[in-house]
Amino acid sequence: QKEVEQDPGPLSVPEGAIVSLNCTYSNSAFQYFMWYRQYSRKGPELLMYTYSSGNKEDGRFTAQVDKSSKYISLFIRDSQPSDSATYLCAMILLSGGYQKVTFGTGTKLQVIP
Amino acid sequence: GAGVSQSPSNKVTEKGKDVELRCDPISGHTALYWYRQSLGQGLEFLIYFQGNSAPDKSGLPSDRFSAERTGGSVSTLTIQRTQQEDSAVYLCASSLSPGQGAVGNQPQHFGDGTRLSIL
Repeated sequence: QKEVEQDPGPLSVPEGAIVSLNCTYSNSAFQYFMWYRQYSRKGPELLMYTYSSGNKEDGRFTAQVDKSSKYISLFIRDSQPSDSATYLCAMILLSGGYQKVTFGTGTKLQVIP
Repeated sequence: GAGVSQSPSNKVTEKGKDVELRCDPISGHTALYWYRQSLGQGLEFLIYFQGNSAPDKSGLPSDRFSAERTGGSVSTLTIQRTQQEDSAVYLCASSLSPGQGAVGNQPQHFGDGTRLSIL
């Protein structure tokens, strides 16, 4: 079993829809949770960074963490064609004085105009 | 800009050849990470540098893979006697380290990767 599970998609939605992206994890020692966006032929770009359970909002993006269920989500409101990308969840374990990051496999999102 | 720079952006080589991939991290970032990204596999951790030292090499898949970092800056990832299964995108990331700021200010910043194809 992978430490982080993420549905690869692809997920196709119409412009303006609310998108929900999710990851589950098995290691309760993960302390920090991130979402990255990766456009084709580009490196991952950090979108959201959270620590505690609960919600964090940034513009059209909301990150949600439920540590008790080992489940994280990213919601995108009013989705735009420019949101079409692969979204990677990532989880940090602090070990030996540095951050060890485990990534999900990514969900490919397509927003149809 | 002053982001993470990787070169070459693309590399095609024959099986059995050696390749060297380069990463220029963000200035002042003491932590540097190499990852490999294969289709459908997500990002696979290879090695972590703190300064010029590599306290975690646990992700290097075989002894054909090695990496070094000099001057606390540029890093090179070398793959010897390349095999077809080495074909992937190799990504480099850098970040501040504990002590340089709160953990919440230490996201990893990625380069755009080197696309390696082994024929």
